[in-house]
Amino acid sequence: AQSVTQLGSHVSVSEGALVLLRCNYSSSVPPYLFWYVQYPNQGLQLLLKYTTGATLVKGINGFEAEFKKSETSFHLTKPSAHMSDAAEYFCAVSAPGSARQLTFGSGTQLTVLP
Amino acid sequence: KAGVTQTPRYLIKTRGQQVTLSCSPISGHRSVSWYQQTPGQGLQFLFEYFSETQRNKGNFPGRFSGRQFSNSRSEMNVSTLELGDSALYLCASSFLTGGTDTQYFGPGTRLTVL
Repeated sequence: AQSVTQLGSHVSVSEGALVLLRCNYSSSVPPYLFWYVQYPNQGLQLLLKYTTGATLVKGINGFEAEFKKSETSFHLTKPSAHMSDAAEYFCAVSAPGSARQLTFGSGTQLTVLP
Repeated sequence: KAGVTQTPRYLIKTRGQQVTLSCSPISGHRSVSWYQQTPGQGLQFLFEYFSETQRNKGNFPGRFSGRQFSNSRSEMNVSTLELGDSALYLCASSFLTGGTDTQYFGPGTRLTVL
């Protein structure tokens, strides 16, 4: 069984500042890890995913995440926040071979202040 | 290429009624998964269909059911609606090349049960 914990249901940053959204997972098998973003009244858009290989994963819109097995973490970062980054972000985990059955965290609402 | 489409986008029903939601996957995608999103429970996996067969099912009562047609379009049905079924229902499709499939989400159907 897998589970995901997202620390901080709300995060506020100033425009231009570093964005750091935290995600810790629990999995009995090597996990597949995902970050999705949801804008108001829209579905989920994939930002990036880790399956195997390089532990630093680069995604769209300047986001990246690093898989740290020893810390069971997959934190999402972006060097410089933009107003358009304001949205809700979800971390998700699946078992290998079951990428279509995602277990999501509770989400982090990112606010970007001018 | 057109994205995942869901119809209707908004729906209002009363307790005890039943409802059917529709999902058209991205052209060429053969797997369709359904998720329920509520403020209290977050995003939860309902079920996945491939080749007109249910492959995985989440922890939901039997009132929730689905099916997939030969053209990969999918429907989900909820019978005997309860107030707690009010949610955003998201459909996701994937090509099904293997365990690392990326899911692409539709905009969702917002169901309100009165």
